[in-house]
Amino acid sequence: DAGVTQSPTHLIKTRGQQVTLRCSPKSGHDTVSWYQQALGQGPQFIFQYYEEEERQRGNFPDRFSGHQFPNYSSELNVNALLLGDSALYLCASSAQGNSNQPQHFGDGTRLSIL
Amino acid sequence: EDQVTQSPEALRLQEGESSSLNCSYTVSGLRGLFWYRQDPGKGPEFLFTLYSAGEEKEKERLKATLTKKESFLHITAPKPEDSATYLCAARPTSGTYKYIFGTGTRLKVLA
Repeated sequence: DAGVTQSPTHLIKTRGQQVTLRCSPKSGHDTVSWYQQALGQGPQFIFQYYEEEERQRGNFPDRFSGHQFPNYSSELNVNALLLGDSALYLCASSAQGNSNQPQHFGDGTRLSIL
Repeated sequence: EDQVTQSPEALRLQEGESSSLNCSYTVSGLRGLFWYRQDPGKGPEFLFTLYSAGEEKEKERLKATLTKKESFLHITAPKPEDSATYLCAARPTSGTYKYIFGTGTRLKVLA
């Protein structure tokens, strides 16, 4: 049973560029959340997608946007990259969008901005 | 403001030396308290969910407990393979779906 998969694993970009990160949820999961984890910090909530819509958003600027597809996979897009966007981006999935099922995480995409 | 604080930031133990990690939370109602383990270069791995004060969960050498203000992760007779960062997260009530994470405790178990 495949867990949460993310691609790519590593990415290097320069300031001002745009990036798209991808996530496939664990089998049977319909809800996807995205988190940003800076070095030595805990994950910070970016947003959550359920039924192909953004259901809740954290304190991140509009440069961060996302999408969820009918097969529940998701993308995170970041525009006009800043040096401070360098971090590990984690995708988490859970089952039954309205329940308290725990979120399961992928291994993340390490984004480096030069 | 909803907040989760973990202590200590780092902990070094000898193999077999039991200890506890602390997670203090201030949230507007608690829907769930979650413990995760994170190895270097990996995503957090789910360990436990606790829902109400007094609840306890166990898995191998780990035991998680919950009070109205904090949670503890007790590690009994740890082994070097227990070395990792342990994260706790709170999910508030009031219609929010996000997890609020602490900054984690980096545990190193020496052989």
